[in-house]
Amino acid sequence: DIVMTQSPDSLAVSLGERATINCMSSQSVLYSSNNKNYLAWYQQKPGQPPKLLISWASTRESGVPDRFSGGGSGTDFTLTISSLQAEDVAVYYCQQYYSPPLTFGGGTKVELK
Amino acid sequence: EVQLVESGGGLVQPGGSLRLSCAASGFTFSDHYMDWVRQAPGKGLEWVGRSRNKAQNYITEYAASVKGRFTISRDDSKNSLYLQMNSLKTEDTAMYYCARWIEGRCDYWGQGTLVTVSS
Repeated sequence: DIVMTQSPDSLAVSLGERATINCMSSQSVLYSSNNKNYLAWYQQKPGQPPKLLISWASTRESGVPDRFSGGGSGTDFTLTISSLQAEDVAVYYCQQYYSPPLTFGGGTKVELK
Repeated sequence: EVQLVESGGGLVQPGGSLRLSCAASGFTFSDHYMDWVRQAPGKGLEWVGRSRNKAQNYITEYAASVKGRFTISRDDSKNSLYLQMNSLKTEDTAMYYCARWIEGRCDYWGQGTLVTVSS
């Protein structure tokens, strides 16, 4: 199974500041035939189900604010919130769908400083 | 509007069984793969399994932790997905979500149904 490792486990960021979350996969999730990274990011607020933010490592879903951006390739990925808003307080998960079983990172909790 | 509504959760003793349901609306259910994902209290997300669509012969796939104990099925005429859980263990205690699978990721999730396995 592909192991997804997120860092840090938690981070506290001031309103308007940048938050960066890292995700590393135990093997590449870049599919060479189409040059796509099979990596998604989800946001989960307390008491709610996860919400898909980004797929293919960097493609924002419809309606997701442009302060959220995804980057990276192969085994190393980042989710960046360029200017943290109060409503962004949540746990963020990366997930690979390169090969079954689908696996998630352990999550990163983003809080307000 | 895509909606997924899970039901059937509750308290069950170790070794017992439970059947979860997921009612789908707002999209052509029969076209889509559907997943079950769970989350133990205060923990992260764990994929449980998947039902492929009719075009893929309703093939099912399972996580190693539930294979042989859980069975996923679906009824496209009722726009419903099911998770039959047998031989339940305390470590199966979790919120169970159904989610629509599209091009490799889960784009819509239900609100979840809580399963507690305890004596």
